[in-house]
Amino acid sequence: GDSVTQMEGPVTLSEEAFLTINCTYTATGYPSLFWYVQYPGEGLQLLLKATKADDKGSNKGFEATYRKETTSFHLEKGSVQVSDSAVYFCALSHTGGGNKLTFGTGTQLKVEL
Amino acid sequence: DTEVTQTPKHLVMGMTNKKSLKCEQHMGHRAMYWYKQKAKKPPELMFVYSYEKLSINESVPSRFSPECPNSSLLNLHLHALQPEDSALYLCASSQDGTRNEQYFGPGTRLTVT
Repeated sequence: GDSVTQMEGPVTLSEEAFLTINCTYTATGYPSLFWYVQYPGEGLQLLLKATKADDKGSNKGFEATYRKETTSFHLEKGSVQVSDSAVYFCALSHTGGGNKLTFGTGTQLKVEL
Repeated sequence: DTEVTQTPKHLVMGMTNKKSLKCEQHMGHRAMYWYKQKAKKPPELMFVYSYEKLSINESVPSRFSPECPNSSLLNLHLHALQPEDSALYLCASSQDGTRNEQYFGPGTRLTVT
């Protein structure tokens, strides 16, 4: 079955540091890939998406590229802020699967001054 | 506008109570979802409605009863819950039941006493 593997957290960074959160997936065919962010006490917000190989999703300074050859979708940001502190979920969905999202376990990011 | 609203924000109920959670979207989406999220875990899919018909039930206990009165509304009726059902309940919607991105509401924090 489909699965998503994310790096363990928490990840603690200083403000303005470079961020990478690794995400790899196992799935047949060509799933769509997503990053969601969850701030404390809130629901999930769609951060970015990619629907085919080599697509780059980007939003609010975050980027991720759909790499079919390495089955990866790593999240990056050049300069993090304290306000980026949250839990980040990598996820995939398949056509014909009722649009079920398969989530990774989530990575907590803490950004300090 | 990509807003999904949920009411109530918080709910405390006894094991013999009957209560309902409500979810609404006005994006013209035709697929709606209920998820359950425990602390420090990713969301777990419970139900999917596609074009107002229940398309997926992830073997959820019958004490949870979903209802989709129309394409904009989704309810989750709760009866005879157990303390282990305490969690954050998230509603989401997507354009249709294919591999589109899902938009989440802020959730209802449920405590069963």
